[in-house]
Amino acid sequence: DVKVTQSSRYLVKRTGEKVFLECVQDMDHENMFWYRQDPGLGLRLIYFSYDVKMKEKGDIPEGYSVSREKKERFSLILESASTNQTSMYLCASSTGKQPQHFGDGTRLSIL
Amino acid sequence: AQRVTQPEKLLSVFKGAPVELKCNYSYSGSPELFWYVQYSRQRLQLLLRHISRESIKGFTADLNKGETSFHLKKPFAQEEDSAMYYCALFGNEKLTFGTGTRLTIIP
Repeated sequence: DVKVTQSSRYLVKRTGEKVFLECVQDMDHENMFWYRQDPGLGLRLIYFSYDVKMKEKGDIPEGYSVSREKKERFSLILESASTNQTSMYLCASSTGKQPQHFGDGTRLSIL
Repeated sequence: AQRVTQPEKLLSVFKGAPVELKCNYSYSGSPELFWYVQYSRQRLQLLLRHISRESIKGFTADLNKGETSFHLKKPFAQEEDSAMYYCALFGNEKLTFGTGTRLTIIP
């Protein structure tokens, strides 16, 4: 069974801090994704990656960056956290055009 | 641009009654449509996809290209169906989600 692991379930940070959200998958999937999930807005794609050291902007990349140094790991970076980035963040992975598998999510609060 | 619309944010249905969760899409090409479900305190998971044309947990969904719809249906609701449901479209190399419908089954 595919396992997508996000390093933290809950995280509290302060405005202006640099924040790292980590995601690891164990199925050698080439595709990895970061979404944020907000009530009434559904899931919105922030960034995605189809290969190591490759990244593509999603629908809402502003204020975020990503890093994919190894195939199994995809990091989301908030360069200078702001209160409007308080949200649930979901990581997902997939292979080819197969459905995406999601992690448990990280609930991030920016104070 | 691709778009997925789920018109109902909340839907309450009595146990044993039929369920229909609406999903409409906008996409210029040939779409791949999915339904994802998130039960309380669980991760988001795939419920079904249109190309497999199968029934999962009693749910079915038929792609209607003429009406650009992919509604999710179940003839008899069960309490364990209470969850958040998302319709999603895969196109242009990315997955676009609707805003979701929270389904509550009333005992």
